[in-house]
Amino acid sequence: AQSVSQHNHHVILSEAASLELGCNYSYGGTVNLFWYVQYPGQHLQLLLKYFSGDPLVKGIKGFEAEFIKSKFSFNLRKPSVQWSDTAEYFCAVNDDRGSTLGRLYFGRGTQLTVWP
Amino acid sequence: KAGVTQTPRYLIKTRGQQVTLSCSPISGHRSVSWYQQTPGQGLQFLFEYFSETQRNKGNFPGRFSGRQFSNSRSEMNVSTLELGDSALYLCASSPKTRLAIIDTQYFGPGTRLTVL
Repeated sequence: AQSVSQHNHHVILSEAASLELGCNYSYGGTVNLFWYVQYPGQHLQLLLKYFSGDPLVKGIKGFEAEFIKSKFSFNLRKPSVQWSDTAEYFCAVNDDRGSTLGRLYFGRGTQLTVWP
Repeated sequence: KAGVTQTPRYLIKTRGQQVTLSCSPISGHRSVSWYQQTPGQGLQFLFEYFSETQRNKGNFPGRFSGRQFSNSRSEMNVSTLELGDSALYLCASSPKTRLAIIDTQYFGPGTRLTVL
């Protein structure tokens, strides 16, 4: 089965600091990759996704992520965080195996707290 | 377009009872997936429905079942509730037009189930 690892359980930053959240997955075949964000009291929202093409993808609110196939990684970055970025961030992976095609595998999430 | 809607938003049940949760996908979406979110296990895939048929199932006991109607609305049922079934149940819809492709999943706000 696919496994998704998010290395940081809780990250605390000051406003304007740079952010990088790690995500690694285990499946060696074709994958589609996602980052979702869950703001306090709100539902999961798509931040960005990678299906194919340029491995550097840009999402909403200034977030970007880089797919490095050789490292099985899809790290999320933002050059300068804001207080409003306080939320829980989830990395998720789809793979191309027919038996699990519609299934998203999620990491355990990283809680980001940004101090003003 | 309206997002994914789920009803009810909150439920309190006692052990041994059964419960039915409802999900209305984004208009035009034919794929509906269900996930369970708990602090201990994170986000786990329950099942996916596409064109009224269950296409994928996660590692949950048979007490968890679901169905999809011709208008793509879906229901999830949990019978003989246990304390450990307390969780946030999330529904996601996808615009994929064929079963054998991957597309983005958009999440609803969830139903918070508490089992006493």
